Amino acid sequence: QSVLTQPPSASGTPGQRVTISCSGSSSNTGSHTVNWYQQLPGTAPKLLIYINNQRPSGVPDRFSGSKSGTSASLAISGLQSEDEADYYCVAWDDSLNGWVFGGGTKLTVL
Amino acid sequence: QVHLVQSGAEVREPGASVRVSCKPSGYTFTGYYIHWVRQAPGQGLEWMGWINPNSGGTKFAQNFQGRVTMTRDTSISTAYMELSRLRSDDTAVYFCARGNYYDSSHYFDYWGQGTLVTVSS
Repeated sequence: QSVLTQPPSASGTPGQRVTISCSGSSSNTGSHTVNWYQQLPGTAPKLLIYINNQRPSGVPDRFSGSKSGTSASLAISGLQSEDEADYYCVAWDDSLNGWVFGGGTKLTVL
Repeated sequence: QVHLVQSGAEVREPGASVRVSCKPSGYTFTGYYIHWVRQAPGQGLEWMGWINPNSGGTKFAQNFQGRVTMTRDTSISTAYMELSRLRSDDTAVYFCARGNYYDSSHYFDYWGQGTLVTVSS
């Protein structure tokens, strides 16, 4: 059971917009910024969104992040087949005194 | 260009120890923390801890305290993670990642390729 809660799966058709949620508590997402990672099969995670809504250089602006209260969201617009991957949120947790990840969301492009 | 290169796959018997190395390039080794994250087969990501390559200071996740050691050798710009008293459920891919920050917010920006550690008798 992960500290941060994500839906195990999400799906969409090419061109669609999909969102992935990440729900936590006051000790993690409620008081710290959230980062998002994309993991393609058999590869290392890649930083997608940091500090809630910042995109590293090279990440398409189709990817966006937001946070409100204890919940964060990752939105992907103009869905492409290459977006099929696992997505993870992560935040610092004051109670555990460590970083906590969501369980991951497997995105399928239909 | 930042790269983190990890050592190769390892096989260990239960009860043994394993050490994984992580050699960054493209930046000043002592300027950024190194984090270790693992992923069991078909499972999610789990943070293990970090090391400050400048001071050698460490911080570990509660699940690993007493079993994990993180060290560094600044002469060869390499960080190490050693896990002892291995169990079958330690079978996983172990990643190192560079810790970065802006203002007071932190994130892992570059990752190694991962090292598969298999624990089996």
